[in-house]
Amino acid sequence: AQSVTQPDIHITVSEGASLELRCNYSYGATPYLFWYVQSPGQGLQLLLKYFSGDTLVQGIKGFEAEFKRSQSSFNLRKPSVHWSDAAEYFCAVGAGQAGTALIFGKGTTLSVSS
Amino acid sequence: DTGVSQDPRHKITKRGQNVTFRCDPISEHNRLYWYRQTLGQGPEFLTYFQNEAQLEKSRLLSDRFSAERPKGSFSTLEIQRTEQGDSAMYLCASSSLTSPYEQYFGPGTRLTVT
Repeated sequence: AQSVTQPDIHITVSEGASLELRCNYSYGATPYLFWYVQSPGQGLQLLLKYFSGDTLVQGIKGFEAEFKRSQSSFNLRKPSVHWSDAAEYFCAVGAGQAGTALIFGKGTTLSVSS
Repeated sequence: DTGVSQDPRHKITKRGQNVTFRCDPISEHNRLYWYRQTLGQGPEFLTYFQNEAQLEKSRLLSDRFSAERPKGSFSTLEIQRTEQGDSAMYLCASSSLTSPYEQYFGPGTRLTVT
């Protein structure tokens, strides 16, 4: 069965430091992969997606992610974190019929210290 | 673009009562999805519609849950005989046929069953 694992429940990063959030997936075929961010009281916002092609994808707010098939990973990175990046981040894989049912990981909460 | 809207934002109900939530997708989007998110977990897929047709349902959608999208626009999710375990955030998302995997989420309806 398809699944997504986010090994880190909570990460604290200093403002201006780099960030990497880990995501591992289990899926038989070529996956559709996503990163979403959820701020308190806000809905989920799509940061970036991978369907095929270039394994390094760029998203909004300066985020990028790299798809590594050999490691079944899709880690999210940002070179310099801002205080406004503090939120919960979810990795997801498209599953179900035609990949429309997203399966989410449990999320990683990012705190940013000054 | 007004985004996906959900109503109400919060609902408190007593166990055994019925509740109904509404979702208005982005106007040009043909697909509409319902997810449930409990504390400390990522969203879990419940069901999705393409226009007015309900095409996929999760095993999580018990007989007490019913979703409709009668005219292919807004959707309702009804929970009958609510149980304390139904307490969660209910999220709605929509996507277009041309970009079906890019799901845009609403702010959610938080249900508390006492």
